[in-house]
Amino acid sequence: GENVEQHPSTLSVQEGDSAVIKCTYSDSASNYFPWYKQELGKRPQLIIDIRSNVGEKKDQRIAVTLNKTAKHFSLHITETQPEDSAVYFCAASIRGSQGNLIFGKGTKLSVKP
Amino acid sequence: DSGVTQTPKHLITATGQRVTLRCSPRSGDLSVYWYQQSLDQGLQFLIHYYNGEERAKGNILERFSAQQFPDLHSELNLSSLELGDSALYFCASTAGLTGQHTGELFFGEGSRLTVL
Repeated sequence: GENVEQHPSTLSVQEGDSAVIKCTYSDSASNYFPWYKQELGKRPQLIIDIRSNVGEKKDQRIAVTLNKTAKHFSLHITETQPEDSAVYFCAASIRGSQGNLIFGKGTKLSVKP
Repeated sequence: DSGVTQTPKHLITATGQRVTLRCSPRSGDLSVYWYQQSLDQGLQFLIHYYNGEERAKGNILERFSAQQFPDLHSELNLSSLELGDSALYFCASTAGLTGQHTGELFFGEGSRLTVL
């Protein structure tokens, strides 16, 4: 069945460093790839997304890249800050529907001041 | 505040029991999704309803069922509960009245179920 692999499961960086989280997906029909941030005890919230007709998208300190051939997409956070500490989930749409998402297992990012 | 309301926030029950989780989507959203979040399993897609009709099923157990009512609120019913059903259950909504899928899922705060 459809699957999304996410690495690493935990990531610790120093404040100001960059963080990269990588995901691969299996469904070739996937056309929508969002990233959600979940702070401890809170609900997941969308931070950035990319559609299959775009290779890269940037929003201030965060960027996402997509390689459809390799079925691979990544989240890049630059100039990390302690408030970036959270669990980050990548996701891919399944069966071509933007609303039905399969999520990776998450990456716990810790940014040390 | 996402506009998605889930009740109850916390629920403690015993094995073998049945519980109902309720979700009110954002005003105007026609789609409701249910996800289960366990410690090591991330967010598992359970089921999707659109305007009252079931549209897709994920890894939802036969002991679980859901429905979406004419007023668009949804309920997730969990029966014959087992210890392993303890998890955080999220409801999310999307899609306005035009039926356009904007892509972003708006999650509620979740219902934390503990089965003892």
